[in-house]
Amino acid sequence: EVQLLESGGGFVQPGGSLRLSCAASGFTFSLYAMTWVRQAPGKGLEWVSCVSGSGVSTFYADAVKGRFTISRDNSKNTVYLQMNSLRVEDTALYYCVRYSGTNCYYSDMDVWGQGTTVTVSS
Amino acid sequence: DIVMTQSPLTLSVTPGQAASISCKSSQSLLHSNGKTFLYWYLQKPGQPPQLLIYEVSNRFSGVPDRFSGSGSGTDFTLRISRVEAEDVGIYYCMQSISNPTFGGGTTVEIK
Repeated sequence: EVQLLESGGGFVQPGGSLRLSCAASGFTFSLYAMTWVRQAPGKGLEWVSCVSGSGVSTFYADAVKGRFTISRDNSKNTVYLQMNSLRVEDTALYYCVRYSGTNCYYSDMDVWGQGTTVTVSS
Repeated sequence: DIVMTQSPLTLSVTPGQAASISCKSSQSLLHSNGKTFLYWYLQKPGQPPQLLIYEVSNRFSGVPDRFSGSGSGTDFTLRISRVEAEDVGIYYCMQSISNPTFGGGTTVEIK
């Protein structure tokens, strides 16, 4: 069974850092681009970042560029999101999502995890 | 970024009736390779989104045939031919011809 299991969410003060992890199983991890999508409480979906299957290419939403870093370890079937300089507006449920292709463009997001909650507050 | 605009905000439907959701993009989603990168997702209460339709009109694996997608360029529609109670939730359109963006969502509820 294809599964994505996020971890690492929590409560942090503004300016702090968190690292999210997403462990994948049930498919050949390196063949798929992976992305993070977030959903603020009661709000819609916002794409955050994507890493290609090889890990060579990364992309970021303007809202997080320079603060967040996406990476992956294909030997561990895990994708990470390092979040620095966190702001109150980063508070959201963060979903780990698989693209149906190896690149971050021209593809759908076909498998979603259950999400991990990040709360940024003083 | 490409802006995705959905309407209506909320749809209240009697079971068995049809429902349609509109999605308009600020730029064409037609690629030079002939594909159009427009997708539809349903987020049921308390769950992550699930893929319904890919590339405008293709139903994802396991999606009932009462769901259909149509459109071209910048104007797209998701249609549910006969709404069932399990179809309640928030429907989102999404584009991936550039950095992905989602529509604001349409809530479908049962009368």
